[in-house]
Amino acid sequence: GAGVSQTPSNKVTEKGKYVELRCDPISGHTALYWYRQSLGQGPEFLIYFQGTGAADDSGLPNDRFFAVRPEGSVSTLKIQRTERGDSAVYLCASSLTLDRNTEAFFGQGTRLTVV
Amino acid sequence: AQRVTQPEKLLSVFKGAPVELKCNYSYSGSPELFWYVQYSRQRLQLLLRHISRESIKGFTADLNKGETSFHLKKPFAQEEDSAMYYCALTNSGNTPLVFGKGTRLSVIA
Repeated sequence: GAGVSQTPSNKVTEKGKYVELRCDPISGHTALYWYRQSLGQGPEFLIYFQGTGAADDSGLPNDRFFAVRPEGSVSTLKIQRTERGDSAVYLCASSLTLDRNTEAFFGQGTRLTVV
Repeated sequence: AQRVTQPEKLLSVFKGAPVELKCNYSYSGSPELFWYVQYSRQRLQLLLRHISRESIKGFTADLNKGETSFHLKKPFAQEEDSAMYYCALTNSGNTPLVFGKGTRLSVIA
């Protein structure tokens, strides 16, 4: 595809359930980022990958959150034992390289609602 | 710690009026500053970056290191400029973007 694709676009889950959010970056982009955007806030960094490895996961709020990128392309953000406070829009972005002057392209986001 | 402050949640201006969206930052290195925009029902996208010193859709932003500001300006607002605007920075090295909370610009006809 032409841009970063995230699935699903909306996810409603019950408190305590496990969810997976998927991100398909732009082909050839080595850097991939996950952000979380709560209502009225700007995007907040969670984790980013360079290739297959997590270069920085310091933004993950706790050990219920985990992300993988096994083949250096598609990434999955996994949330265990979801809580109502996890409700937010989860954004994925990719860029050609990690160079800070390289533009990051964002997906449309997955809106997660925990009820 | 790096932080981006956008003091205005909402800014309303009339069409044709000048616009200034404020952004202040704190940093512990050499920052690179950006403005991202999100139009209604569209994804977040880069508007401009300070290093490029460019004007995009009539918008410009000047980095003022003395005041640690990176305000976004446009001399004559258009209705199609109505959107959410986020100021963001990244530090030296490969640190990810740090965003402000955003300002919603509403241009009134």
